[in-house]
Amino acid sequence: EAGVTQFPSHSVIEKGQTVTLRCDPISGHDNLYWYRRVMGKEIKFLLHFVKESKQDESGMPNNRFLAERTGGTYSTLKVQPAELEDSGVYFCASSQDRLVTYNEQFFGPGTRLTVL
Amino acid sequence: GENVEQHPSTLSVQEGDSAVIKCTYSDSASNYFPWYKQELGKRPQLIIDIRSNVGEKKDQRIAVTLNKTAKHFSLHITETQPEDSAVYFCAAQRGYSSASKIIFGSGTRLSIRP
Repeated sequence: EAGVTQFPSHSVIEKGQTVTLRCDPISGHDNLYWYRRVMGKEIKFLLHFVKESKQDESGMPNNRFLAERTGGTYSTLKVQPAELEDSGVYFCASSQDRLVTYNEQFFGPGTRLTVL
Repeated sequence: GENVEQHPSTLSVQEGDSAVIKCTYSDSASNYFPWYKQELGKRPQLIIDIRSNVGEKKDQRIAVTLNKTAKHFSLHITETQPEDSAVYFCAAQRGYSSASKIIFGSGTRLSIRP
């Protein structure tokens, strides 16, 4: 079974440009999460989708970030316009929605974003 | 707010020795504590976890302990091997039967010296 996939693996853009990151969760996983690790710090939560609905977006830094999950399958995270402090590794994770046991979150390989 | 403190940030041990990573959490409602390992260039992967109703859990060479009163939890790796070299993240979550966000520590880069 394929794991969580992310595209692109690397992206280098200039300040002010727009970048869109994509995440394909494991098939059948209703829960999809975005996280970010900046400059060797902790991996920080951005938001959580349940199917196509935003369950929790408390970690989104500001309105330059827009996440979508139309149809409840893959998700995109758009940064517009990008700033220097947006550089980091963006991880996506997905999990099943089981009621009686722990919903392990499976992580993708990440997208390394560099804003110059 | 919710946060998890992790120490040390870097750790170098001789192959065969033990390694210990310590974490503290602030959210009293946390009841699930996963540990993730991220090898160079790879994705974070769950290696062991512990729930709040358990004080210790062991899986071969790795063990985790939890002191819920003090809000401390630790990862212990015995008989370290070169393949243990990686960044380790401790984490805390509320609930384990429903999806919730993971609060991560800042990571420990573990290096195993041959």
